[in-house]
Amino acid sequence: GAVVSQHPSWVICKSGTSVKIECRSLDFQATTMFWYRQFPKQSLMLMATSNEGSKATYEQGVEKDKFLINHASLTLSTLTVTSAHPEDSSFYICSARTGGSGNTIYFGEGSWLTVV
Amino acid sequence: AQTVTQSQPEMSVQEAETVTLSCTYDTSESDYYLFWYKQPPSRQMILVIRQEAYKQQNATENRFSVNFQKAAKSFSLKISDSQLGDAAMYFCAYRSARAGNKLVFGAGTILRVKS
Repeated sequence: GAVVSQHPSWVICKSGTSVKIECRSLDFQATTMFWYRQFPKQSLMLMATSNEGSKATYEQGVEKDKFLINHASLTLSTLTVTSAHPEDSSFYICSARTGGSGNTIYFGEGSWLTVV
Repeated sequence: AQTVTQSQPEMSVQEAETVTLSCTYDTSESDYYLFWYKQPPSRQMILVIRQEAYKQQNATENRFSVNFQKAAKSFSLKISDSQLGDAAMYFCAYRSARAGNKLVFGAGTILRVKS
């Protein structure tokens, strides 16, 4: 089946710095990728929809200047948390949608971000 | 906007027994997809089962089956012959068939399997 890879799996960064998380579709082209945030024992909250070659669409309440999303190719989307603070610590998950009528969504393994 | 409700924060089942997880949703659309995802401690999201709204027949995948009641907007998951490996958080999700179709998740149900 299709595979979506996220990197890094976990990252620790200092408060005030920026950190980038990558989401790659390994064996299919993904025109659309989704970024989620998940707090412990809670559901996935959609942050933004990443479209290849165009600006991302952010959900209400998500700061687009803080969570920069770039979808420069059909296999790669990146999420950059700028000027990270401890409250940004969370589990971030990406997913990618295959094309065609099947239209299946595959998830990455997730990335743990800890801001100290 | 569509919403998905899972009213059971936690459920327990004895190994080899059957358990049903509940899910209801709200939508004004007629064409959509419904999913159950499993999230084990590894946090990897695993697709368990998928149902197209236009299909009347309930989807089944080995020990997993759904009871899809379109008029009632209900989509429950039945796990038969429960195994220890079934222990996880289970999420019900809705996706519109329209373009840009993002997943809308329920709050999740933690399933514990007792040996």
